[in-house]
Amino acid sequence: RKEVEQDPGPFNVPEGATVAFNCTYSNSASQSFFWYRQDCRKEPKLLMSVYSSGNEDGRFTAQLNRASQYISLLIRDSKLSDSATYLCVVTYDKVIFGPGTSLSVIP
Amino acid sequence: EPEVTQTPSHQVTQMGQEVILRCVPISNHLYFYWYRQILGQKVEFLVSFYNNEISEKSEIFDDQFSVERPDGSNFTLKIRSTKLEDSAMYFCASSEGRNPNTEAFFGQGTRLTVV
Repeated sequence: RKEVEQDPGPFNVPEGATVAFNCTYSNSASQSFFWYRQDCRKEPKLLMSVYSSGNEDGRFTAQLNRASQYISLLIRDSKLSDSATYLCVVTYDKVIFGPGTSLSVIP
Repeated sequence: EPEVTQTPSHQVTQMGQEVILRCVPISNHLYFYWYRQILGQKVEFLVSFYNNEISEKSEIFDDQFSVERPDGSNFTLKIRSTKLEDSAMYFCASSEGRNPNTEAFFGQGTRLTVV
């Protein structure tokens, strides 16, 4: 089983839609969890950390379920500028990036 | 806003040649990292560096790779004898504290093409 797995995508959604990304991880000792965003041919940038209690930042909500080893990212009212690849990142003694899920928001 | 800078943005080299990729981390950061991303594939951790020594490295980071902080500002990745499969985007990152607990800021990357 891969260390971090994500929905394969791509996700093509209309503007204003709500979209959810899922991520699972294999190492139960994982300590920290993040969502990064990567635009085409650009560097990854931190979108948000993921806490056990769940956290929200504007249109973005991240959730963590340690028992199921599952992380999610919800984007509400999606905008054209949300089009990117979303990377799930999990850490224990090293930092592991998931393969990413591509999102295209269509006018 | 402080940023991580990498040079060059694109490097083309012949197979078997040595390359040095350069990075200037954010000035008050203490932890430094190299990642690579082969075209169309995921971001892969190579190495982390703290207090002038390697703190962690992945299986990818074999004897052909080395890192150095030759002065107070630069952080370099050397690939001794490049192979075709080394072609990738190489990202440098730095953080104030030990990643993962502190956000790592990424440079814009160096695209290495081995021909």
